[in-house]
Amino acid sequence: DTEVTQTPKHLVMGMTNKKSLKCEQHMGHRAMYWYKQKAKKPPELMFVYSYEKLSINESVPSRFSPECPNSSLLNLHLHALQPEDSALYLCASKGSYNEQFFGPGTRLTVL
Amino acid sequence: AQSVAQPEDQVNVAEGNPLTVKCTYSVSGNPYLFWYVQYPNRGLQFLLKYITGDNLVKGSYGFEAEFNKSQTSFHLKKPSALVSDSALYFCAVRDYESSGGGADGLTFGKGTHLIIQP
Repeated sequence: DTEVTQTPKHLVMGMTNKKSLKCEQHMGHRAMYWYKQKAKKPPELMFVYSYEKLSINESVPSRFSPECPNSSLLNLHLHALQPEDSALYLCASKGSYNEQFFGPGTRLTVL
Repeated sequence: AQSVAQPEDQVNVAEGNPLTVKCTYSVSGNPYLFWYVQYPNRGLQFLLKYITGDNLVKGSYGFEAEFNKSQTSFHLKKPSALVSDSALYFCAVRDYESSGGGADGLTFGKGTHLIIQP
């Protein structure tokens, strides 16, 4: 099973809302990632978790808060977002040779 | 700093013809190179990788890529294009500078739109 799942598929939120994105994989991978992708642009790395510990934070604003409850799950908590944060948020996990397997993404719209 | 360049914003190929999507890279150390494809409103699908070994790498859906160390290139190829190959293609390199506990991120090229005409 080389599947990474993400929920929800679509999310619309206001600037004062609090919401969470969820990601799950059952491939036994020990590194998981959050990327942000704007339309027609490449994904940009946000966070990396390795063995359930945050190892890389690419200077992401504090209104994005990641969490890794266990080796299969990854959350991204959202609070007080701005309209420019609207994007496709992709989760990925790392295989044996550094290849990353991506989920379908959550399309986020901030009003 | 690691970087990847995809010089073409768009490549147009007639169905049945061979296709090539270009990628060049700049890394410090041994390159780990990847190709991904993205269909509209979808996540990225892994196509193939080069880590070490044979310079010609075969991947999913009939795609292959040729690693050329002297030209620092990793071009994606397919002998006979299908209309269903039309999508956005990304070349990526392992980003050693984001390394943390062996969980390096990926640095992506800007992407190339591949359009296969019937």
